[in-house]
Amino acid sequence: QKEVEQDPGPLSVPEGAIVSLNCTYSNSAFQYFMWYRQYSRKGPELLMYTYSSGNKEDGRFTAQVDKSSKYISLFIRDSQPSDSATYLCAMSVSGNQFYFGTGTSLTVIP
Amino acid sequence: GAVVSQHPSRVICKSGTSVKIECRSLDFQATTMFWYRQFPKQSLMLMATSNEGSKATYEQGVEKDKFLINHASLTLSTLTVTSAHPEDSSFYICSAPKGSLNTGELFFGEGSRLTVL
Repeated sequence: QKEVEQDPGPLSVPEGAIVSLNCTYSNSAFQYFMWYRQYSRKGPELLMYTYSSGNKEDGRFTAQVDKSSKYISLFIRDSQPSDSATYLCAMSVSGNQFYFGTGTSLTVIP
Repeated sequence: GAVVSQHPSRVICKSGTSVKIECRSLDFQATTMFWYRQFPKQSLMLMATSNEGSKATYEQGVEKDKFLINHASLTLSTLTVTSAHPEDSSFYICSAPKGSLNTGELFFGEGSRLTVL
């Protein structure tokens, strides 16, 4: 079983839709959770960083962590064509070793 | 703005030559940096962990004599692909945790696309 599971998509939504991206994991010791956005041929860009459980909101982005279910989510409200990218989840136990999902490819159609 | 800078962003070289890629932390010190390789439409594959002042830790299956890593200062790590061959063509990305490792906040460079002819 992989440490982190993420549906690769592709996911295609109309502009303005709410997007929900998810990852599940197996290691209950994970306590640092991150979401990255990666445009084609670019390095991943840190979008959201959460420590332990709970929600975090930043503009149109909301990250949720449910440690009891070992499930994390990223919501994008009012999605824009510029949000079209691959979204990677990542997590860590102690900040010295990171585990990544395979990435979900998102296309927002104008 | 970027907190980790990677250079060059693109490089084309002839088979048999060596290529050096630099990774710099811009406004923080990084005792550890990570080097990844990414194939098209695939996730990141950790190659090695670069440790300032000591030897890098390589992942299983990664040739340490082929992918030389040097972490000579707290802001710079380099990856040298030695005697490059076409199968080494890939997208190489570095990352560094900002602040104490215990924060878990990891930043990536812009990536370097290597093409070996």
